[in-house]
Amino acid sequence: AQSVAQPEDQVNVAEGNPLTVKCTYSVSGNPYLFWYVQYPNRGLQFLLKYITGDNLVKGSYGFEAEFNKSQTSFHLKKPSALVSDSALYFCAVRVDLLSGGYNKLIFGAGTRLAVHP
Amino acid sequence: EAGVAQSPRYKIIEKRQSVAFWCNPISGHATLYWYQQILGQGPKLLIQFQNNGVVDDSQLPKDRFSAERLKGVDSTLKIQPAKLEDSAVYLCASSLGMNTEAFFGQGTRLTVV
Repeated sequence: AQSVAQPEDQVNVAEGNPLTVKCTYSVSGNPYLFWYVQYPNRGLQFLLKYITGDNLVKGSYGFEAEFNKSQTSFHLKKPSALVSDSALYFCAVRVDLLSGGYNKLIFGAGTRLAVHP
Repeated sequence: EAGVAQSPRYKIIEKRQSVAFWCNPISGHATLYWYQQILGQGPKLLIQFQNNGVVDDSQLPKDRFSAERLKGVDSTLKIQPAKLEDSAVYLCASSLGMNTEAFFGQGTRLTVV
């Protein structure tokens, strides 16, 4: 079945240290992958996407993500975490629908990132 | 560029009552999505429109939920009658097309008591 998974409910990291938030996917065809961030009482905010091209994708606020086709992963990374990065992070993938050549956008369960001073 | 607009921001209703949410997508965006996000969970896609046609509503509880997208622009999501388990944030999003990123509104927080 086509799906997206975030294996960690929470990630804790000290400010200034590098961070990684994990995402794996299972889709038929080429993957279209996205990362979003959600702050309390706010909607989801787009961070970055992988459609095609370079495996390392750069996005907003210093975040980047590495696409790995052989491991079917799209992990979110940042070289130096800030306390203000503390939020809920969601990985999303487009999955093909059975008919009409359409796809739909589905989300993982989310990972809470806590950056400690 | 104006973002996705949703109203109301908050709604409290009693179970068995009805409620409607409104969404105005970003101008020119052909694809519109309604998601339900229960506290502590990821967004669950309820229905996805391409222009004014439905492309997926496989997870929409059709006995109580309905949605329409008038003239391929604004959309409304209705719940009738509401149940306690419908308490959630309802998020509307839009995208230019099927393979681009979606942009989200602030959401409507529904509490059913």
